[in-house]
Amino acid sequence: EAGVVQSPRYKIIEKKQPVAFWCNPISGHNTLYWYRQNLGQGPELLIRYENEEAVDDSQLPKDRFSAERLKGVDSTLKIQPAELGDSAVYLCASSPVAGAVTGELFFGEGSRLTVL
Amino acid sequence: RKEVEQDPGPFNVPEGATVAFNCTYSNSASQSFFWYRQDCRKEPKLLMSVYSSGNEDGRFTAQLNRASQYISLLIRDSKLSDSATYLCVVNPYSGGYQKVTFGTGTKLQVIP
Repeated sequence: EAGVVQSPRYKIIEKKQPVAFWCNPISGHNTLYWYRQNLGQGPELLIRYENEEAVDDSQLPKDRFSAERLKGVDSTLKIQPAELGDSAVYLCASSPVAGAVTGELFFGEGSRLTVL
Repeated sequence: RKEVEQDPGPFNVPEGATVAFNCTYSNSASQSFFWYRQDCRKEPKLLMSVYSSGNEDGRFTAQLNRASQYISLLIRDSKLSDSATYLCVVNPYSGGYQKVTFGTGTKLQVIP
C-alpha cells in the first residue's frame, strides 16, 4: 500500500516568493493534517481536514498561508509571500478514522523549505 | 506552559544501558497518549501507545501517571539503532476530533 506522498521534497526560494506543497494521503484516509517542523522542535499543527472540511485551522497564519483539499483527497498548502522564518519542514499526515483516539498518524517524508 | 513538555536531551548512553524519558502534559482532560520515533531527517512514526495500566513492547515500556500528568518511556538494553528523537504525543480528544499535540522531542544517542 502506498504511503503519504508529498512533493516537492526540497524547495529553495527567495523571500517574498510564493511556494506550494502538495500531499496525497493514504487511500481511504479521510483525515489529513499539515504540520510544520522547525529544527530541533516537534511538529506543530497548521491545519486539519476531515474530508474536504477544514475543522481546525486555528494555527494557520492566514495572512500568508492557505490550504485546500478539493474533493477530500489531495491537498495543497501555499505560502505567499514567503518569509525567512518560514524555513522549515512541512509534513503532511493522514489517519484512517475521524474522531478516533488511535493517535496513529501516517506521515509523508516532508517538504523541506529554505527561504533565502 | 506548553501543552506537552519534554527534556530535549541529548541523552548519550552506552550500548546495553537502560534509559528513561519523561514527558509532562498540561491538559488534565487528555485521553490518549503515544510515543513516536523520528530518525534524523525522516518523518515521525508511531512507536507505541501508552495505556493507563502501562504497556510493554519488547525492550520498550511505556507508563502513564494521570495524577501527576506525565508519561514515560523506558528503553532497556539500548541498541545503536535506537538512536533517534522520541516524541511524546497527547490527544485531548476534544469535540470528537483528534487534536494531536507533539512535544519537542528527546534526542537519544546510543554510543558503541
